[in-house]
Amino acid sequence: DAGVIQSPRHEVTEMGQEVTLRCKPISGHDYLFWYRQTMMRGLELLIYFNNNVPIDDSGMPEDRFSAKMPNASFSTLKIQPSEPRDSAVYFCASSARYTEAFFGQGTRLTVV
Amino acid sequence: GNSVTQMEGPVTLSEEAFLTINCTYTATGYPSLFWYVQYPGEGLQLLLKATKADDKGSNKGFEATYRKETTSFHLEKGSVQVSDSAVYFCALRASGSARQLTFGSGTQLTVLP
Repeated sequence: DAGVIQSPRHEVTEMGQEVTLRCKPISGHDYLFWYRQTMMRGLELLIYFNNNVPIDDSGMPEDRFSAKMPNASFSTLKIQPSEPRDSAVYFCASSARYTEAFFGQGTRLTVV
Repeated sequence: GNSVTQMEGPVTLSEEAFLTINCTYTATGYPSLFWYVQYPGEGLQLLLKATKADDKGSNKGFEATYRKETTSFHLEKGSVQVSDSAVYFCALRASGSARQLTFGSGTQLTVLP
């Protein structure tokens, strides 16, 4: 398996633009997580899904952030409109019921 | 709520030195404990884990023992290498049905030749 695949690896956008981050989990994994990593706040859980259903979105910072998982092999995290304070590395991870979480390589987002 | 407190970094060591990175946690019940490692420009990789008290996780010469009495999971390695330079994260997963991880702040380790 190729592991968790995230795209793009790097994204630079202007303030106010919509940004969409993508994630393909490991086949057979039924949990999917979105984390954000910043120097100030470290690694924070934004949202996680089980069997494509959002279970806990309490970490989503505000209504500008939304996440979807339309099927077992794809998820998106959308920011609209983006702001400079959203600049961070966004990680997607997946796991199965009795496995540890496997992380993608992350998307480095810069909002200017 | 659950939390993980990690030794502040950065840590700089010479090759073959002994490494300890402290980690303590706060959680109800019996969480599972993990150490993840992040190499530059990459995602997090699981280094080792322990799922119950007194368990010892080990991998690549690294070890950590789940100490319920001191709520700790300190990472150790007897002889570090330059290739061990990375950021190390301690994390917990609460007992029960929750699957998400709570991470510490990370410790940057640099090993000099």
